[in-house]
Amino acid sequence: DAKTTQPTSMDCAEGRAANLPCNHSTISGNEYVYWYRQIHSQGPQYIIHGLKNNETNEMASLIITEDRKSSTLILPHATLRDTAVYYCIVRPKKSGGGADGLTFGKGTHLIIQP
Amino acid sequence: DVKVTQSSRYLVKRTGEKVFLECVQDMDHENMFWYRQDPGLGLRLIYFSYDVKMKEKGDIPEGYSVSREKKERFSLILESASTNQTSMYLCASSLTSGLSTDTQYFGPGTRLTVL
Repeated sequence: DAKTTQPTSMDCAEGRAANLPCNHSTISGNEYVYWYRQIHSQGPQYIIHGLKNNETNEMASLIITEDRKSSTLILPHATLRDTAVYYCIVRPKKSGGGADGLTFGKGTHLIIQP
Repeated sequence: DVKVTQSSRYLVKRTGEKVFLECVQDMDHENMFWYRQDPGLGLRLIYFSYDVKMKEKGDIPEGYSVSREKKERFSLILESASTNQTSMYLCASSLTSGLSTDTQYFGPGTRLTVL
């Protein structure tokens, strides 16, 4: 799986948009970009994923550059409850289903300031 | 809403005890996973199952076994708990889909302490 690089930590003011970058310069054409987050002492939570088009759901937006070498997760109106470690990972497309384990890097510790 | 539940949030056991961790998902997912998460070591896969009664070893299966008798339930068993199995244990599930993505949904975790 392609490796990702994320900043170690970021601050964001409550109510503002939080923009979390991720570099994945070795991503291959069949790999998706996934974002998860983990609030302290809880299980990881799936946020969003995409292949090449920008994606939006009720939690966040995912912007993937045209060359797919980087992406940005956007939390449009951050709240204190969004303080967590955010993990960007790339996962290959699987033909015929199947499963294997996730590997998280160190992620970005996002701290929302009141 | 997606729901994965784990039997306990916190558990304290003694060395040598047999420990059962239970995980239940209500999404009719084929795949279920057990991970442990330790500071500095990240998430590590212990076992996973892609169907009832089927199991596959992950990266660190030693000292653990699993059971999947029903589709919705996946149990992790520590036959004889040891102090180095003190950890946060996370269960996850995913759907086998022709769309070829495998979003995994996690439970809240069980923090196990072995004394």
